[in-house]
Amino acid sequence: GAVVSQHPSRVICKSGTSVKIECRSLDFQATTMFWYRQFPKQSLMLMATSNEGSKATYEQGVEKDKFLINHASLTLSTLTVTSAHPEDSSFYICSAPPPTGLGGGYGYTFGSGTRLTVV
Amino acid sequence: DAKTTQPNSMESNEEEPVHLPCNHSTISGTDYIHWYRQLPSQGPEYVIHGLTSNVNNRMASLAIAEDRKSSTLILHRATLRDAAVYYCILRDVPGGWGGSEKLVFGKGTKLTVNP
Repeated sequence: GAVVSQHPSRVICKSGTSVKIECRSLDFQATTMFWYRQFPKQSLMLMATSNEGSKATYEQGVEKDKFLINHASLTLSTLTVTSAHPEDSSFYICSAPPPTGLGGGYGYTFGSGTRLTVV
Repeated sequence: DAKTTQPNSMESNEEEPVHLPCNHSTISGTDYIHWYRQLPSQGPEYVIHGLTSNVNNRMASLAIAEDRKSSTLILHRATLRDAAVYYCILRDVPGGWGGSEKLVFGKGTKLTVNP
């Protein structure tokens, strides 16, 4: 089945630095990638949608200058948390939908998540 | 906002069946019912989906009410590895072809499996 590889799995960084998270679709082309954030004991909150070759779409309340998303190829989407602060510490997850046109009967593929801790 | 309602938590014993309910009273004709689960410290994984008919796969069964306003995910024999948060999500697929619709997660049901 479809696999999305997400790296790193966990990262600790100092306050004020930037961190890049990568998601690669290994055996399919992902023209769209969704980025979620999950705080402890809470559900996944959609942050933004990245589309290959165009600007990302951010959900209301998400700072686009802080969470930079790049989707430069059909197999790679990246999320960069800029000038990270402790409140950005969270679990970040990417997800790719099934190829367009297959109908509603296919599941979405998720990365394994990145645990970001800002100290 | 999530369009589904699930109990916050459920408990089961190992080797016993588990029925996880989901209410989606405002479901539309183009909504597929998807189930995902999230094990601790991992990304969600796809479990099963359905539109109108009941569905079976190697992981679980999905029973859909005739009016489609509710569904039940059935784990036939729960194992300790099934302990996870289970999410019931509606995926709108206008025209039936499927685009890149975003999935909106509700709070899900936390399943505890006792040995």
